[in-house]
Amino acid sequence: QVQLVQSGAELKKPGASVKISCKASGFPFTNYYIHWVRQARGQGPEWMGIINPRGDFTTYAQQFQGRVSMTRDTSTTTVYMEVNSLTSEDTAMYYCARDRQSSSWTNSLDPWGQGTLVTVSS
Amino acid sequence: QSVLPQPPSASGTPGQRVTISCSGSTSNIGTNSVNWYQQVPGTAPKLLIYSDNHRPSGVPDRFSGSRSGTSASLAISGLQSEDEADYYCAAWDDSLNGVVFGGGTKLTVL
Repeated sequence: QVQLVQSGAELKKPGASVKISCKASGFPFTNYYIHWVRQARGQGPEWMGIINPRGDFTTYAQQFQGRVSMTRDTSTTTVYMEVNSLTSEDTAMYYCARDRQSSSWTNSLDPWGQGTLVTVSS
Repeated sequence: QSVLPQPPSASGTPGQRVTISCSGSTSNIGTNSVNWYQQVPGTAPKLLIYSDNHRPSGVPDRFSGSRSGTSASLAISGLQSEDEADYYCAAWDDSLNGVVFGGGTKLTVL
């Protein structure tokens, strides 16, 4: 079945970086855009950006530009997101999510990974 | 304050019909289609409605969506206890050049 499995929880100190992985299976990896979304405890989701099927195009939300990088490895069907210069405000659950439609950028996210909890604390 | 304000809470009894509103602007809902997500606490969001009023496979037809002007709404008919969850609207925003989400509505089934 279509599945996105993310890496495990991370505990980071302020100023550090974190790299999260998202392993895809059950669908043609090179046909789909992948989004990243984060959600702080008790808050609504916050879109972070998108990477295209070939991995040669990315768009990041304005508040994350210059601090976030998204890449993908076709050989392992894995997408990565790295966030730099972490602060306590980056403490959140981070999700990868596939765009719903093949070969299209529709902004309908389905399905979602299980989430990766990133905690930033000194 | 969310770019797409939603009422923080809604409630209904089993069998009732409930609607959840989502308010936007010309740069998002006024121009682009709306998606709705359901999130049971402790789990990832799940796509419930896409392109204003389409249901993914497996979503019951009790759920329906609509969009008019700069607002959208989600309707749930025949309310069931399993519908108790948080509901979020989302749309592309041309000014922000990104997807914006609503603040969420917590639905309680009494």
